[in-house]
Amino acid sequence: GAVVSQHPSWVICKSGTSVKIECRSLDFQATTMFWYRQFPKQSLMLMATSNEGSKATYEQGVEKDKFLINHASLTLSTLTVTSAHPEDSSFYICSASAQTAGNTIYFGEGSWLTVV
Amino acid sequence: TQLLEQSPQFLSIQEGENLTVYCNSSSVFSSLQWYRQEPGEGPVLLVTVVTGGEVKKLKRLTFQFGDARKDSSLHITAAQPGDTGLYLCAGRSTNAGKSTFGDGTTLTVKP
Repeated sequence: GAVVSQHPSWVICKSGTSVKIECRSLDFQATTMFWYRQFPKQSLMLMATSNEGSKATYEQGVEKDKFLINHASLTLSTLTVTSAHPEDSSFYICSASAQTAGNTIYFGEGSWLTVV
Repeated sequence: TQLLEQSPQFLSIQEGENLTVYCNSSSVFSSLQWYRQEPGEGPVLLVTVVTGGEVKKLKRLTFQFGDARKDSSLHITAAQPGDTGLYLCAGRSTNAGKSTFGDGTTLTVKP
């Protein structure tokens, strides 16, 4: 079945640095990918919709200059957390829609970001 | 803004008991998905329902989509410790649109 992979699974970075998280669709092409943020025991909060070849659409309250999204190909979207601060520490999850599977959404494994 | 209200938020039961999780909205969805998520992992799709009144069964799990496609329920029969996790419902207003997630139900099944 369709698989979405995220890398890295976890990352620790120093405050003020930037960190990039990759989201790949492994066996299907995804024109649209979604980035979420999740706090412990809470639901997923949609941050932005990543569109291949165009600018991402950000949800209200999400800083586009803080969370840079690049969807350069049909199988890869990246989320870069710029000038990270401890409050950016969270679980980040991506998902992709597989048109070949009735537009079913598949999720990546998630990436734990800890900013120290 | 579409909202999905999921209840209960937390549920702790003994092994063998039955439970139902509800997902309600004032909006109509073209499809609704149920996911199960374990700590530190991404959500795993359990089922997609698309037709009003549809009922789908997955072993001990029964999913129902409301006739008006505004609500859904997940019923688990004879819960087991392995059912422990965060259950999420998500609705999509269009076939290829973004998903609106419920707040999630944290289920703990004690042996």
